Amino acid sequence: EAGVAQSPRYKIIEKRQSVAFWCNPISGHATLYWYQQILGQGPKLLIQFQNNGVVDDSQLPKDRFSAERLKGVDSTLKIQPAKLEDSAVYLCASSSSYNEQFFGPGTRLTVL
Amino acid sequence: AQSVTQPDIHITVSEGASLELRCNYSYGATPYLFWYVQSPGQGLQLLLKYFSGDTLVQGIKGFEAEFKRSQSSFNLRKPSVHWSDAAEYFCAVGDDKIIFGKGTRLHILP
Repeated sequence: EAGVAQSPRYKIIEKRQSVAFWCNPISGHATLYWYQQILGQGPKLLIQFQNNGVVDDSQLPKDRFSAERLKGVDSTLKIQPAKLEDSAVYLCASSSSYNEQFFGPGTRLTVL
Repeated sequence: AQSVTQPDIHITVSEGASLELRCNYSYGATPYLFWYVQSPGQGLQLLLKYFSGDTLVQGIKGFEAEFKRSQSSFNLRKPSVHWSDAAEYFCAVGDDKIIFGKGTRLHILP
């Protein structure tokens, strides 16, 4: 069974630029999550999708972050414009139940 | 408010020694509890989980954890660590939404 795929693995941009991350969940997993993991901290949930609908985006900075999950499969997370404090690892996870979330390898973003 | 506390930021143990990583939680109801491991540059991998039933839970890679409701704790243990266990360990609580602790980085001395 293929795991959660994310790309790119690394991205370096300058502040005020835009960036997009892509996630392909495990086939058949209805729920998809985006997390932000700042160095030295645990992952923080940004947004949760159930199929192609948003379940929770309460911690998503909506003035600069956006996410979509077209057709209930792949998802894209965008930051525009990026700030220095957005430097972090962005993790995508998917699940089919409450039992377990499967995580991708993450995208490490550096904002200069 | 729901929260997870991992009081140890770093722990160093010798290879072959026993290990215990501490986790305390605050949650409104009986929680689902998880331990994840993250190796450098990798995503998180689930070690074990507790939903109900036996309070001693066995996981992968020889890890186990014990749920103690009276202490609001879910400590992770391993009787004999290997150099490959060096990683960051996260305790988490929740159901479809998980709250993670800040993590404990485990260092192994040869």
